[in-house]
Amino acid sequence: AQKITQTQPGMFVQEKEAVTLDCTYDTSDQSYGLFWYKQPSSGEMIFLIYQGSYDEQNATEGRYSLNFQKARKSANLVISASQLGDSAMYFCAMRERGTGNQFYFGTGTSLTVIP
Amino acid sequence: GAGVSQSPSNKVTEKGKDVELRCDPISGHTALYWYRQSLGQGLEFLIYFQGNSAPDKSGLPSDRFSAERTGGSVSTLTIQRTQQEDSAVYLCASSLGATRDTQYFGPGTRLTVL
Repeated sequence: AQKITQTQPGMFVQEKEAVTLDCTYDTSDQSYGLFWYKQPSSGEMIFLIYQGSYDEQNATEGRYSLNFQKARKSANLVISASQLGDSAMYFCAMRERGTGNQFYFGTGTSLTVIP
Repeated sequence: GAGVSQSPSNKVTEKGKDVELRCDPISGHTALYWYRQSLGQGLEFLIYFQGNSAPDKSGLPSDRFSAERTGGSVSTLTIQRTQQEDSAVYLCASSLGATRDTQYFGPGTRLTVL
């Protein structure tokens, strides 16, 4: 079974609008972390935001927020006020304590911001 | 401080040759990961080193692939008898060891096998 599922291979959003990128995860571990990374066309992987399994509040970092629904095992990334520079691939990842803190990545979502 | 560095940035080789890719992690990071990324695709996990534990080699696609990490720092990924399907970007990442610690990625090595 896939540990991380990203069901949206491609998304489009109008500049200045908000967009939600979906991520669901599969784990039986109680202690885990959820991460989102951005990969622009330049190829670098950029860490965006982290959510811990025990965190009660949704994580926020500037225009990025994580909609964490633990019971549904979802960790959707919300980007507010989209900018042209947000066009990139976005990867959701999970790190589980029970597997020696191994990282698991989803297949990614390609986001295109339309001017 | 210095980030994760990888060398070479680009490598062009002929089919059948061996190649070595190097990764210098962030100092003090106990965990080191190798991934492969083909054009427009996601990350394919290759191998994971965590401290002094035995590495997780479950992602290595064949016995032509091997990696080592010397002294808990620098890592080398070796591909023997390269094939055209090995052409990809090879990414290295390092992190501290706790569940909440993010990975920091290097710029990658673009491998082209002719």
